[in-house]
Amino acid sequence: QQPVQSPQAVILREGEDAVINCSSSKALYSVHWYRQKHGEAPVFLMILLKGGEQKGHDKISASFNEKKQQSSLYLTASQLSYSGTYFCGTEITYAGNNRKLIWGLGTSLAVNP
Amino acid sequence: NAGVTQTPKFQVLKTGQSMTLQCAQDMNHEYMSWYRQDPGMGLRLIHYSVGAGITDQGEVPNGYNVSRSTTEDFPLRLLSAAPSQTSVYFCASSSPSGTTDTQYFGPGTRLTVL
Repeated sequence: QQPVQSPQAVILREGEDAVINCSSSKALYSVHWYRQKHGEAPVFLMILLKGGEQKGHDKISASFNEKKQQSSLYLTASQLSYSGTYFCGTEITYAGNNRKLIWGLGTSLAVNP
Repeated sequence: NAGVTQTPKFQVLKTGQSMTLQCAQDMNHEYMSWYRQDPGMGLRLIHYSVGAGITDQGEVPNGYNVSRSTTEDFPLRLLSAAPSQTSVYFCASSSPSGTTDTQYFGPGTRLTVL
């Protein structure tokens, strides 16, 4: 059930772009993206809902392919502050109308000057 | 508005001891959850609650108990601590759509069991 994130780690120079992928074997109700800096709590970036609605930052974009059960997070013109571990959370349904969030293992992103 | 608060920030226990990790939120959120985060394992759901008086198990509930007597508080109890419970514990809350809405995480409790 756990979504698979790729790549596991990426190193960028400031200004470069990156794409982080999240793939699930289950039908998804929504996909969440969070960033966590070392020693801190995860912080919300974006939610993509089944049907196309998005909630989140203006400077970060993402896509959600419901049929393929995949989501991608696009980080453009990266800044030093983008460094951290990025987690996707996939919302799946179970036992009728119940839902739960299952988290990927994370993608470590380092942006260097 | 303090958001989600957790106490203590750090704790060291001996094997077999019990303790309660506290979590409180002041946003009137119905949905609250507890996660543990271990290196290389991501966030794993321990228990969650969709409202006062209602709790349910997550992926890794063994060794933990929860209760939800008020909307604001969601304590996590370790019944008999084991070294395998050494981890960072995060409490989170969200509303109004529960798992479909923004999860607000507390700062975490770093627990070491010797």
